[in-house]
Amino acid sequence: NAGVMQNPRHLVRRRGQEARLRCSPMKGHSHVYWYRQLPEEGLKFMVYLQKENIIDESGMPKERFSAEFPKEGPSILRIQQVVRGDSAAYFCASSRSGTGVTGELFFGEGSRLTVL
Amino acid sequence: GQQVMQIPQYQHVQEGEDFTTYCNSSTTLSNIQWYKQRPGGHPVFLIQLVKSGEVKKQKRLTFQFGEAKKNSSLHITATQTTDVGTYFCAGPAGGTSYGKLTFGQGTILTVHP
Repeated sequence: NAGVMQNPRHLVRRRGQEARLRCSPMKGHSHVYWYRQLPEEGLKFMVYLQKENIIDESGMPKERFSAEFPKEGPSILRIQQVVRGDSAAYFCASSRSGTGVTGELFFGEGSRLTVL
Repeated sequence: GQQVMQIPQYQHVQEGEDFTTYCNSSTTLSNIQWYKQRPGGHPVFLIQLVKSGEVKKQKRLTFQFGEAKKNSSLHITATQTTDVGTYFCAGPAGGTSYGKLTFGQGTILTVHP
């Protein structure tokens, strides 16, 4: 009965360190999205991936951020050399359908990153 | 770029009062979705509206999609403390047909018992 699984739930990093966030989509879902949420704001799209492919990364900063969804294992959002402005909740979502249909997104519980 | 605005940003009600949040998009939407996020929680899908002028009900919640498919509303009748949370509307970003959504900034609902 696994929904979208994210870990870690909370992560504290010092400026300049790396943050690595993991996401396993719901069973049967092969479409993964990463969203970022700043305090008391809406969610901002970052990247859309399918297995071994980045489909749309238009919302992801060009520097320091990268995402992957390998053939085996979870999707990973990697933030290098973190800065205080990276402090946010990072939500992963998966969907059953792919392109051609805008369907319901199933969100994980999020990874809350704090940069000291 | 596409913008999705929600009003009000905050709403405080007494338990039993009604609540409405409004969503407006700068562009016509193929569909609109609504999500609820409890404090400290994650967004949970409530509903998707597709047709112009569509109205859908879920118990005490009524969702509407405007005729021009640029606005939407969520109305809760007789609020309960379990309704507390932030309500977001979201539409497909830039005409995409996958899960790239533009979210409104949300309406934070507080219900006083």
